[in-house]
Amino acid sequence: DTGVSQNPRHKITKRGQNVTFRCDPISEHNRLYWYRQTLGQGPEFLTYFQNEAQLEKSRLLSDRFSAERPKGSFSTLEIQRTEQGDSAMYLCASSLAENYGYTFGSGTRLTVV
Amino acid sequence: EDQVTQSPEALRLQEGESSSLNCSYTVSGLRGLFWYRQDPGKGPEFLFTLYSAGEEKEKERLKATLTKKESFLHITAPKPEDSATYLCAVQGGYNTDKLIFGTGTRLQVFP
Repeated sequence: DTGVSQNPRHKITKRGQNVTFRCDPISEHNRLYWYRQTLGQGPEFLTYFQNEAQLEKSRLLSDRFSAERPKGSFSTLEIQRTEQGDSAMYLCASSLAENYGYTFGSGTRLTVV
Repeated sequence: EDQVTQSPEALRLQEGESSSLNCSYTVSGLRGLFWYRQDPGKGPEFLFTLYSAGEEKEKERLKATLTKKESFLHITAPKPEDSATYLCAVQGGYNTDKLIFGTGTRLQVFP
């Protein structure tokens, strides 16, 4: 197992387009998290799943954002009608249980032009 | 509201010059305090979890300590490869699994 995998690594899109990112967690981890990080800031929580259930969503997650984890394995994060303010690094992490340290992926850097 | 403040924002050290990074927090019902290292363009790398005041953990040149209001990351005799941003995060409350991160301390170690 090579850790948490995120694809693509980089995405440049025009304002108004839809984008989708994929995260493959560590196989035995049942918890999966999405965070967003902008330059000079710490990661900000977006949402998390336990198995296939989405248990918490941040107020940051507007209705243009949707996340799924259909079979409790990989997850996708979709952003519709992208805006320049969506430009950021989108990080996925997984964990074996609560209070365990997360393992983060390398992130997907989104640039909206 | 849960909050994490890290200081200093940036720290420049000569190789071998020991120092400490601070993480102060306010959280309702601390369930864990986490330290991560982040290299440019990469995701954070887990270092330590501390659960209760008085707890200490060590890994190579790093030692993390926890009190009721803050945590310190002590770096002993740092090397240039220790250069990175160090992030602190807390997990609190009883109906959430999320981490609240600070903005990090950017450490540069010069040979």
